[in-house]
Amino acid sequence: AQSVTQPDIHITVSEGASLELRCNYSYGATPYLFWYVQSPGQGLQLLLKYFSGDTLVQGIKGFEAEFKRSQSSFNLRKPSVHWSDAAEYFCAVGPYTGRRALTFGSGTRLQVQP
Amino acid sequence: EAQVTQNPRYLITVTGKKLTVTCSQNMNHEYMSWYRQDPGLGLRQIYYSMNVEVTDKGDVPEGYKVSRKEKRNFPLILESPSPNQTSLYFCASSSPDRLSSYEQYFGPGTRLTVT
Repeated sequence: AQSVTQPDIHITVSEGASLELRCNYSYGATPYLFWYVQSPGQGLQLLLKYFSGDTLVQGIKGFEAEFKRSQSSFNLRKPSVHWSDAAEYFCAVGPYTGRRALTFGSGTRLQVQP
Repeated sequence: EAQVTQNPRYLITVTGKKLTVTCSQNMNHEYMSWYRQDPGLGLRQIYYSMNVEVTDKGDVPEGYKVSRKEKRNFPLILESPSPNQTSLYFCASSSPDRLSSYEQYFGPGTRLTVT
């Protein structure tokens, strides 16, 4: 069965500092990988996605993620965090076929200090 | 504006009182899905629909029903809600285009409390 692990439940960084959120997945085939962000009281917004090709993908809001097959990881990075980045971040994995259900990690809550 | 809408956004109800959460999308998406979000568990799929009149169970379907009579709407029905269905519910839809079909667009969520 597929699974996603986000080892960090809560991370606090200072504004302007760099950020890396970890995501490890378990999947039996070629994964389709996603990062979503959920701001307080809001729905889920797609930050970026990986289907194939270049393993470094760029997303919105200055985020990027790198797919490392050998490590089963898809870590999210941002070089300089802004206060508005404070939110909860979810990594997800899923197949293209069938019921297309995304398996989500339990989320990482990011707090940004001034 | 392309969007997925849900109503109501917040609902407090009592055990056993039937309720429906509506979901509508204006992107002509064939695929729609319902998830519930619980602390520490991420999102889990309840039901999904590949097209009109085609629905099937997800990971946690017990206690829920759905219908897909029109392409744009995918209501979630709780015939007899129980406290363990207190959760945050998200509707999602995705494009029929092969390459982008996995980009699911999520609604704003419905926070349901069953007392």
